[in-house]
Amino acid sequence: QQQVKQSPQSLIVQKGGISIINCAYENTAFDYFPWYQQFPGKGPALLIAIRPDVSEKKEGRFTISFNKSAKQFSLHIMDSQPGDSATYFCAANRDQGAQKLVFGQGTRLTINP
Amino acid sequence: DSGVTQTPKHLITATGQRVTLRCSPRSGDLSVYWYQQSLDQGLQFLIHYYNGEERAKGNILERFSAQQFPDLHSELNLSSLELGDSALYFCASSPRHVGYEQYFGPGTRLTVT
Repeated sequence: QQQVKQSPQSLIVQKGGISIINCAYENTAFDYFPWYQQFPGKGPALLIAIRPDVSEKKEGRFTISFNKSAKQFSLHIMDSQPGDSATYFCAANRDQGAQKLVFGQGTRLTINP
Repeated sequence: DSGVTQTPKHLITATGQRVTLRCSPRSGDLSVYWYQQSLDQGLQFLIHYYNGEERAKGNILERFSAQQFPDLHSELNLSSLELGDSALYFCASSPRHVGYEQYFGPGTRLTVT
């Protein structure tokens, strides 16, 4: 119940295209869903996050879509650029109990120029 | 730059040895989280401290321990090291005990030979 499942494991997108990464969770107590971006040799960096009371959040070229009934959320990167090539992790957290982030397995995104 | 610092950046040691990893949170943040990142297990939560007190434990081995000092920096102690302990160790900090927004440091890469 603590798992967050992320797909795909790897993704190749052409420059200018839309990158889509999906995550699913089981624990309905989760109430905070962030996405992290990690470049090789660096720590994960908080990219964008959403709470279940909204269905979509947009920040620049990055959008989170959230489907509470399906217990799924996704990251969309519009106009993908080579500089977006990185590993992306979805995660989930909850207010009560252990305040830890539960991470998906990660998606290695490659944007071809 | 997240404002979280970790030392050392790299650590190479032999099996059976003991090491200490250090983390300084962002200025003003009271919470420190430790995570382990390995290829097969992904990002796994280890332990959470808030203002010097342990708040939550994850899948942390008994050979591992941590503490948070009055100046809020934290140390993760790993003892009786095994080859399988080779991984990236990240700390993250957050301003409150509810770690919704966690900011990660650059990590310490531990190699056990």
